Amino acid sequence: SAVISQKPSRDICQRGTSLTIQCQVDSQVTMMFWYRQQPGQSLTLIATANQGSEATYESGFVIDKFPISRPNLTFSTLTVSNMSPEDSSIYLCSGQESGTEAFFGQGTRLTVV
Amino acid sequence: AQTVTQSQPEMSVQEAETVTLSCTYDTSESDYYLFWYKQPPSRQMILVIRQEAYKQQNATENRFSVNFQKAAKSFSLKISDSQLGDAAMYFCAYRITNAGGTSYGKLTFGQGTILTVHP
Repeated sequence: SAVISQKPSRDICQRGTSLTIQCQVDSQVTMMFWYRQQPGQSLTLIATANQGSEATYESGFVIDKFPISRPNLTFSTLTVSNMSPEDSSIYLCSGQESGTEAFFGQGTRLTVV
Repeated sequence: AQTVTQSQPEMSVQEAETVTLSCTYDTSESDYYLFWYKQPPSRQMILVIRQEAYKQQNATENRFSVNFQKAAKSFSLKISDSQLGDAAMYFCAYRITNAGGTSYGKLTFGQGTILTVHP
C-alpha cells in the first residue's frame, strides 16, 4: 500500500503560536483525512481534505482553528492555529484510495506549553 | 450517528496464550465495514483485520480472527498464540459503505484497549 510521510514527528510549541503539519503520500490518493488523538484517547476525525476545494469539517472543528490545504492528490497540510494547552494531542493524517483500506502517517505529537 | 464502544480499557495475556478484545457498535446502516487497528508506541496505525458486514463468514488473518455478530452488533478480536510484539493499543473502527458500493469514507473509532503481553 501507499506510504505517508508526516512531518514533524513531534514538536513543543508556545501557546498562541501556530504549527503546520505536512503529509506527503508516495502516490496519488483520492481521499485524505486528518484525525486528532488526545492523550490516552481515541482518534477523532477533524476533517476530510478535499483536493482543490475547502476541507469538510466535522462537528466541533472549524476552519479558523484548523485550516487545511490539499493542493494536489499527494500532499496535504493541517495547521493548528492560536494554540492552547488543550491542543496538545497526536495528529494523524490518513489516505485512502478506492478498493483499498485507509493507511496512516506516523503521527505528530504536539505539546503546547 | 454511528458509535463504537470498547468496554475493556486494558487487557493482559501471557505469551503464547489467547486473548479476546471486545467491541460493540451502533448503526442503522445495513452495509458497512468493521476494522481492528493496532497502534504500537511508535504511533503508527496498522490495520490488523477487516470485516464486511454483508459477509457472514468471520475474517481471519493468521493469528488474528474476529467473531462478527451482526444482529448483536458485536465485533470481537481474538489473538491466538500471543507474541510480545502484539503489545499495543487496539482500536475497533467502523466505516459506512458509500452509495454505489464504493469503499471510501471516514472511520469512527472506539476508545481503544491497551493490550499487555507478559513473557
